[in-house]
Amino acid sequence: AQTVTQSQPEMSVQEAETVTLSCTYDTSESDYYLFWYKQPPSRQMILVIRQEAYKQQNATENRFSVNFQKAAKSFSLKISDSQLGDAAMYFCAYRGYTGANSKLTFGKGITLSVRP
Amino acid sequence: NAGVTQTPKFQVLKTGQSMTLQCAQDMNHEYMSWYRQDPGMGLRLIHYSVGAGITDQGEVPNGYNVSRSTTEDFPLRLLSAAPSQTSVYFCASSYSPRDRLYNEQFFGPGTRLTVL
Repeated sequence: AQTVTQSQPEMSVQEAETVTLSCTYDTSESDYYLFWYKQPPSRQMILVIRQEAYKQQNATENRFSVNFQKAAKSFSLKISDSQLGDAAMYFCAYRGYTGANSKLTFGKGITLSVRP
Repeated sequence: NAGVTQTPKFQVLKTGQSMTLQCAQDMNHEYMSWYRQDPGMGLRLIHYSVGAGITDQGEVPNGYNVSRSTTEDFPLRLLSAAPSQTSVYFCASSYSPRDRLYNEQFFGPGTRLTVL
């Protein structure tokens, strides 16, 4: 079974600075997807960024980018120019390509606080 | 386009009572899932469905039933509520992961359930 590990329960960053959130996963599959979701206090789950394993190029979405290391099974999220609105819980998630692996498996999440 | 809707938003039950959490989506998604979110545990999969008439168990299925008679609806039934089922419940839907462009999961707003 796939597992997703987020080892840091909490992180803090100064406004306008850069922060990196770590995530590792375990799988025997070669084709899969990785996601970062944001959950603000409103509780709504918001997709931040996604990466397809067969693509070597790291995904970027405005101030958000990932460092995808397939061999190391690492998928970290970098937030540049942090803003107060970035304060939230962030979840890393894995999704396989077929069958039972097509379920979405989440890490336990990391709470990010942004200092003004 | 309402996306994924869940009702109710809040519910308080007494131990032993039964109830159904409703979930509906209007995006013609094949995949639908139910998760529960507990502090420090991330989101854990309860049940999921890959299409009308097809359901399967996730990581924590005990005490819950599902059925999927239509593409749009995926209700979650608590048969005999227990305090351990106090949690926030999320419904999510997506296209198949074989759709490389549009396979991220969309989440409903969640239901906060308290069992006394």
